[in-house]
Amino acid sequence: GQQLNQSPQSMFIQEGEDVSMNCTSSSIFNTWLWYKQDPGEGPVLLIALYKAGELTSNGRLTAQFGITRKDSFLNISASIPSDVGIYFCAGQSGANSKLTFGKGITLSVRP
Amino acid sequence: EAQVTQNPRYLITVTGKKLTVTCSQNMNHEYMSWYRQDPGLGLRQIYYSMNVEVTDKGDVPEGYKVSRKEKRNFPLILESPSPNQTSLYFCASSFRRLMNTEAFFGQGTRLTVV
Repeated sequence: GQQLNQSPQSMFIQEGEDVSMNCTSSSIFNTWLWYKQDPGEGPVLLIALYKAGELTSNGRLTAQFGITRKDSFLNISASIPSDVGIYFCAGQSGANSKLTFGKGITLSVRP
Repeated sequence: EAQVTQNPRYLITVTGKKLTVTCSQNMNHEYMSWYRQDPGLGLRQIYYSMNVEVTDKGDVPEGYKVSRKEKRNFPLILESPSPNQTSLYFCASSFRRLMNTEAFFGQGTRLTVV
């Protein structure tokens, strides 16, 4: 089946640093989504991307839909302690297809 | 407030004792789904529903049942729970617009089967 690859499993950064996360696949997706999950909570949608090449920002977050439609990245600028959590990418290959999730990257931010 | 509500948040049960986890959304979403989250495996879809009375299997449906009698509710049923169903469960809902999907998640149900 379709798979989304996120690596590394964990990232450790210093407060104030920028961080970039990649999500790659061998399959084409028509929608890319990025979620953040805080401890003990459900995932929350951060950014949704619907067109190849699209670049979308949400505050300090920026995400891009790769032009090959097989990858996406999420950038967090000027990280703060509350950015700690698990970041998931998800893709959808067609209008009636289910979402496929990556396994997530756990982000730690050192004060 | 737009939300997906799951109950209970925490549940400990014994092997073989039937249980139901409820899920309700107030956004008039057509699409609802259930996921389980396990360490190292991420989110895996159990069942989904495109609309009332329309349900289908996800990636890991064995040992689970669902029903969709009303648009807002999508309960997850474990007829005979086993320890390998110990997990963190999430319900999600979405609009089904052409080419677009966004999923809103509940807060999760942590199930332990002993």
